[in-house]
Amino acid sequence: GDSVTQMEGPVTLSEEAFLTINCTYTATGYPSLFWYVQYPGEGLQLLLKATKADDKGSNKGFEATYRKETTSFHLEKGSVQVSDSAVYFCALSGRDNTGKLIFGQGTTLQVKP
Amino acid sequence: DADVTQTPRNRITKTGKRIMLECSQTKGHDRMYWYRQDPGLGLRLIYYSFDVKDINKGEISDGYSVSRQAQAKFSLSLESAIPNQTALYFCATSAETTGAQETQYFGPGTRLLVL
Repeated sequence: GDSVTQMEGPVTLSEEAFLTINCTYTATGYPSLFWYVQYPGEGLQLLLKATKADDKGSNKGFEATYRKETTSFHLEKGSVQVSDSAVYFCALSGRDNTGKLIFGQGTTLQVKP
Repeated sequence: DADVTQTPRNRITKTGKRIMLECSQTKGHDRMYWYRQDPGLGLRLIYYSFDVKDINKGEISDGYSVSRQAQAKFSLSLESAIPNQTALYFCATSAETTGAQETQYFGPGTRLLVL
């Protein structure tokens, strides 16, 4: 079945450091790919998404590119802030039209001043 | 006001008790979902519904049931709670789509502890 694998955390960075969180997927066909973020004590919210190969999703300085050849959707940010501290989830939605999301295990990011 | 609300936000119950978690949305979406979140496992789908008369099991539906009382309301029940159902539960909604790219909107979650 479809699955998503994220790099294990926690990831601890200093403010203004470069961030990469790796995400790879296994799916039949060409799924849509998402990054969701969960701030402490809150529900998940969409950070960015890409719906076809080579698409780049971007938001709030974060970027991720849909790489079909490597089945990856790595999240990057050039300069993190303390306010970026959160749990980040990579997810996919298959082409079965159910809209169901399959999530990775989540990566905790802590940014220190 | 929040678009997706969940009640209660926190709940402690005992093994064997029946409990209900409620979800309401004001986004006008047809599709609603229940997930549970466990540390190190991400979120897993319990049930989902496309409308009041269309309810489907997800990946981990055993021990759970749901009710779609109206387009805006989707409740999750634990018929006889057990300790390994201790988790954070999220409700989510999305618009109907012909593709797979619709964003899901999540509630704030219900933290459940089964003793």
